[in-house]
Amino acid sequence: AQSVTQPDIHITVSEGASLELRCNYSYGATPYLFWYVQSPGQGLQLLLKYFSGDTLVQGIKGFEAEFKRSQSSFNLRKPSVHWSDAAEYFCAVGARGTSGSRLTFGEGTQLTVNP
Amino acid sequence: DAGVIQSPRHEVTEMGQEVTLRCKPISGHDYLFWYRQTMMRGLELLIYFNNNVPIDDSGMPEDRFSAKMPNASFSTLKIQPSEPRDSAVYFCASKSVWGVEETQYFGPGTRLLVL
Repeated sequence: AQSVTQPDIHITVSEGASLELRCNYSYGATPYLFWYVQSPGQGLQLLLKYFSGDTLVQGIKGFEAEFKRSQSSFNLRKPSVHWSDAAEYFCAVGARGTSGSRLTFGEGTQLTVNP
Repeated sequence: DAGVIQSPRHEVTEMGQEVTLRCKPISGHDYLFWYRQTMMRGLELLIYFNNNVPIDDSGMPEDRFSAKMPNASFSTLKIQPSEPRDSAVYFCASKSVWGVEETQYFGPGTRLLVL
């Protein structure tokens, strides 16, 4: 069975600083990988995804993530954080070849941005 | 497209009452997912449908929960009778198996409070 670990429950950064949110997954083959963002009182919005090819993927809002097979990681990065990035971030893994591509979510990382 | 639509956005009810949550998936999507989000358990998949047929309901907590999808554009999640521990945010998501991304798109959620 697949699983996802987000080691950091809460991260605080200053506006303008760089950001890296960690995500480690467990899956027997190459998975589908996703990062979603959830603002307070809102649904989940897809930031970016990895399926195949280039291991560095670009997403919306200036985010990027790098798939590292050797480390079973898919960390999310942003070079300069804006106050509007404060939200909760979820990493998810989906199994290839499985009907419906059931997603397993991590527990989320709450991001606080200080002015 | 309007995206995934859920109603109501907020629901407050008393223990023992029946609650019905509604979801309209994105037109053309053939998979529909129901999730529950709580502080204690994070995001949990309750059930998902493919072409209106329930595929995996192993996440449904107990017999008090039921879900239907009478047609491609509508699904309900019913709780009868409701209990305070059912208080959570319930999300509906949809996706198309023909899409390159195999990406699930989430609705805004229904915030349920059972008193």
